Amino acid sequence: GAGVSQSPSNKVTEKGKDVELRCDPISGHTALYWYRQSLGQGLEFLIYFQGNSAPDKSGLPSDRFSAERTGGSVSTLTIQRTQQEDSAVYLCASSQRLAGAPDTQYFGPGTRLTVL
Amino acid sequence: AQSVSQHNHHVILSEAASLELGCNYSYGGTVNLFWYVQYPGQHLQLLLKYFSGDPLVKGIKGFEAEFIKSKFSFNLRKPSVQWSDTAEYFCAVTSNTNAGKSTFGDGTTLTVKP
Repeated sequence: GAGVSQSPSNKVTEKGKDVELRCDPISGHTALYWYRQSLGQGLEFLIYFQGNSAPDKSGLPSDRFSAERTGGSVSTLTIQRTQQEDSAVYLCASSQRLAGAPDTQYFGPGTRLTVL
Repeated sequence: AQSVSQHNHHVILSEAASLELGCNYSYGGTVNLFWYVQYPGQHLQLLLKYFSGDPLVKGIKGFEAEFIKSKFSFNLRKPSVQWSDTAEYFCAVTSNTNAGKSTFGDGTTLTVKP
């Protein structure tokens, strides 16, 4: 079946502009995660959705970052007034997230964001 | 808070050499452990995972990892590497009590010389 997809694959923007990154999770997966991978570093957790609600937003680095999920499926990560330090690969993952059970996350190909 | 430490940032091996990549985590509760691989130009793929049971887990492409609870470790091994194993390897930890979000190590870049 289809995996997690993300768009765009690459985004170049100017400092101060807003950007939207999209994630389409695997069909039927209730949980959706956003991570950020900066150059030479591991993945940094940003936000987690269970259905359409976000019980954990603890990783969002500032109030310029927001995310939403609609219909329990597609999610959009929005970065307002982008800064150069926002340049990174933004990864989305989804999982079945059955209550109390261990879970495997499946990752999309990522969106490479470059802020000039 | 949980954390993951990968001690080797860059490993260079010749083909047929044996591989061991270290991963240590800090978390007091029950954990689920993962190794992911990212080949050049490709996205993260699951290599293997440990949830419970036999602490020696086998994954794809001849990789295995051993969970040693007393050492808080989950080292990745392969007896004989190939040039095609050149990639970045990430160790990750989740727990069932923190919404399942993964904590990743900083990654180890493996270069295998033909």
